[in-house]
Amino acid sequence: GQNIDQPTEMTATEGAIVQINCTYQTSGFNGLFWYQQHAGEAPTFLSYNVLDGLEEKGRFSSFLSRSKGYSYLLLKELQMKDSASYLCAVIDSNYQLIWGAGTKLIIKP
Amino acid sequence: NAGVTQTPKFQVLKTGQSMTLQCAQDMNHEYMSWYRQDPGMGLRLIHYSVGAGITDQGEVPNGYNVSRSTTEDFPLRLLSAAPSQTSVYFCASSLTGTGENTGELFFGEGSRLTVL
Repeated sequence: GQNIDQPTEMTATEGAIVQINCTYQTSGFNGLFWYQQHAGEAPTFLSYNVLDGLEEKGRFSSFLSRSKGYSYLLLKELQMKDSASYLCAVIDSNYQLIWGAGTKLIIKP
Repeated sequence: NAGVTQTPKFQVLKTGQSMTLQCAQDMNHEYMSWYRQDPGMGLRLIHYSVGAGITDQGEVPNGYNVSRSTTEDFPLRLLSAAPSQTSVYFCASSLTGTGENTGELFFGEGSRLTVL
């Protein structure tokens, strides 16, 4: 079966750095998304990786290793507004999106 | 630019009732989809459409119908509501879908459905 694993919940301190991991076992790979979802709201796009390496976008970076079936989202200079769930999603060989259950990130002052 | 608009935001149904969740997008996106989101689970695809007149089943289609008569609209119909359909439903659209030129999904605000 296809599977995406993310930690259920993480806690970090305002101003710090946090890394949210995502490991996947899917039938093929055609790209990986990260989305942010605040409580009670819709998911919004953060990043897309299809090649190995690090993609940086402001305070957020996303890394991909296709050989390891692994990605992480790195959030720097954490702000209270970063408290949200972070969803990892992989495009499989049939171009279907497979979603992880999400990681709830709690930011403490 | 409204993006993706879903209605209603909240709905309570009794078992056996039917209803339609409306979804409209004004971005001229070809790809539209419906997901349900349940606690502790990833988003699950119910139905999707790659263009007007074309629909297909996703991972969990049973108990739901869709149609795509226009590019803009993609309603989701619950035929005979069951408590297992209590969930948060999201409509999402994309310029290119999840094909070879996959684009990001734009989500509606969600519809919270409770079936008693």
